Amino acid sequence: NAGVTQTPKFQVLKTGQSMTLQCAQDMNHNSMYWYRQDPGMGLRLIYYSASEGTTDKGEVPNGYNVSRLNKREFSLRLESAAPSQTSVYFCASRRLAGDNPGELFFGEGSRLTVL
Amino acid sequence: AQSVSQHNHHVILSEAASLELGCNYSYGGTVNLFWYVQYPGQHLQLLLKYFSGDPLVKGIKGFEAEFIKSKFSFNLRKPSVQWSDTAEYFCAVNPGGSYIPTFGRGTSLIVHP
Repeated sequence: NAGVTQTPKFQVLKTGQSMTLQCAQDMNHNSMYWYRQDPGMGLRLIYYSASEGTTDKGEVPNGYNVSRLNKREFSLRLESAAPSQTSVYFCASRRLAGDNPGELFFGEGSRLTVL
Repeated sequence: AQSVSQHNHHVILSEAASLELGCNYSYGGTVNLFWYVQYPGQHLQLLLKYFSGDPLVKGIKGFEAEFIKSKFSFNLRKPSVQWSDTAEYFCAVNPGGSYIPTFGRGTSLIVHP
């Protein structure tokens, strides 16, 4: 039972390069999320997908795009990386339990450095 | 917009000391409340959650939290901390019916043996 799997775990990019962070969950969860974590800033939502086929912007979407490929997979793309995007990225998923949203299940994180 | 405040950014304790971490939120309606813990180098995992019912919630590893609706608070407590509790703690609030939880900025806890 893998839970939420993110790849890659580490990546170094040069300014202007592009890359995609992959996320997959095997818990049959409806909702998926991408967060970035920066020191002193906590977790900030980049994009989320409430259900398969839908995506919406979060608090800090600029410079990112997402694709909800199917129910399991939710990828995050940096089209032209900038040093301000140096961060640790977490993917999370969540099921709906009746009227309650349930807790988030997180992946192990992807540490991205943009030079 | 709703917000979540964790007033203690850094807490340093000795083993066996008692712990209380504050969490306040600014949403007036029904909320679901969570505390997550992130051990060094690891991902976030759920510590405890509150949806409804008894406002005193017990979680893993001896942690508990109390929901006080009139104070918009959901403080985390542990009577006696251990060195292994060294971690970052995040409070999260999810308005009823929303897909989006809002996280506080986190509290870094260091427990000295």
